[in-house]
Amino acid sequence: GNSVTQMEGPVTLSEEAFLTINCTYTATGYPSLFWYVQYPGEGLQLLLKATKADDKGSNKGFEATYRKETTSFHLEKGSVQVSDSAVYFCALLSNFGNEKLTFGTGTRLTIIP
Amino acid sequence: GAGVSQSPSNKVTEKGKDVELRCDPISGHTALYWYRQSLGQGLEFLIYFQGNSAPDKSGLPSDRFSAERTGGSVSTLTIQRTQQEDSAVYLCASSTAPLAGGRVTGELFFGEGSRLTVL
Repeated sequence: GNSVTQMEGPVTLSEEAFLTINCTYTATGYPSLFWYVQYPGEGLQLLLKATKADDKGSNKGFEATYRKETTSFHLEKGSVQVSDSAVYFCALLSNFGNEKLTFGTGTRLTIIP
Repeated sequence: GAGVSQSPSNKVTEKGKDVELRCDPISGHTALYWYRQSLGQGLEFLIYFQGNSAPDKSGLPSDRFSAERTGGSVSTLTIQRTQQEDSAVYLCASSTAPLAGGRVTGELFFGEGSRLTVL
């Protein structure tokens, strides 16, 4: 079946540090890949997505590249801010007619001023 | 409303009681999902609606769980005879109609969740 494995948290960084949150997946075919973010007290929201191999999704300074050869979709940001403190979820949508997103366990990120 | 609305935001109940959780999706969104988020776990899929029908209810953990959707809008998740292991945050999400060719986009809009505590 489909699965998503995320870097264990929590992750604590200083402001302006470089961020990487690892995500690897297992799926047949060519899934679409997503990063969702949950800010404190808010619902999950889509951060970025990529629908095919070598696509790069980007938003709010975050980037992730769909690497089919390594089945990965790592999230990166060059300089994090305190406002980036949140829980980040990697997810996939199978292209085999399965209409549900499969999520990872989430990575809690805390940025210290 | 502007976003997905869930109620109640917090529910504390005694073991063995029934609970109902409500989700009001974004107007016009035909797809509706229920997920469960337990401490230390990811988001666990429960059920997916397209309109009023549920083509995928494979994630419902037992026959104590049921869900319905009426008028292609509001959905209710019912848990009968609650157990302590049912304690979790229940999340509802909605999405626009599938793309031409039938696939959903994967771009879900989530509510803030209903936190259920079973004592």
